Amino acid sequence: DTGVSQDPRHKITKRGQNVTFRCDPISEHNRLYWYRQTLGQGPEFLTYFQNEAQLEKSRLLSDRFSAERPKGSFSTLEIQRTEQGDSAMYLCASSLRGTESQGHTGELFFGEGSRLTVL
Amino acid sequence: TQLLEQSPQFLSIQEGENLTVYCNSSSVFSSLQWYRQEPGEGPVLLVTVVTGGEVKKLKRLTFQFGDARKDSSLHITAAQPGDTGLYLCANTGFQKLVFGTGTRLLVSP
Repeated sequence: DTGVSQDPRHKITKRGQNVTFRCDPISEHNRLYWYRQTLGQGPEFLTYFQNEAQLEKSRLLSDRFSAERPKGSFSTLEIQRTEQGDSAMYLCASSLRGTESQGHTGELFFGEGSRLTVL
Repeated sequence: TQLLEQSPQFLSIQEGENLTVYCNSSSVFSSLQWYRQEPGEGPVLLVTVVTGGEVKKLKRLTFQFGDARKDSSLHITAAQPGDTGLYLCANTGFQKLVFGTGTRLLVSP
């Protein structure tokens, strides 16, 4: 399968624990995005990378959240000292830099998500 | 911050019915994409519209971009159970997607 893969698919943790999610993008894609989605809502942007550079972080991304893409390939999203409000689906997406005909961002290819439940 | 409101929030219909969902923005879209998300999956791109007044068709789906590029609609003809999912509009500007609030569609046999 050459799509975007995320691991783990489900994570249940206790409040205060740290969790880490991994995303493997489509291999030739230079952009990688993290979004958070709660039930029935649209995804909310968290951060994105172009190659290994983290170019933008949302204000939603508190100091407890950190994302890396060390070699411009896979990425990790770590949440420290989890809170119940962190419970959500964390979606990763990758893309090639968009062209004018596609719209500025181009098509994003999403993984199946990592669902986090904080007890 | 751009706000994208979608309506209705939830729609439950019978197979064979027609429907329209709407996406309205507080500011002009750079360009607009529609995605469909099925339960347990990530969103999948349906279409990108760029020019005000543009109409695109994808089988039974018709997408329209408003003349002023601040709104869009998605019309589904003769809905099928396979159309069930969360429909999301998104602004493609600013190097990232900003998603709308979503319309959850349920098509019953």
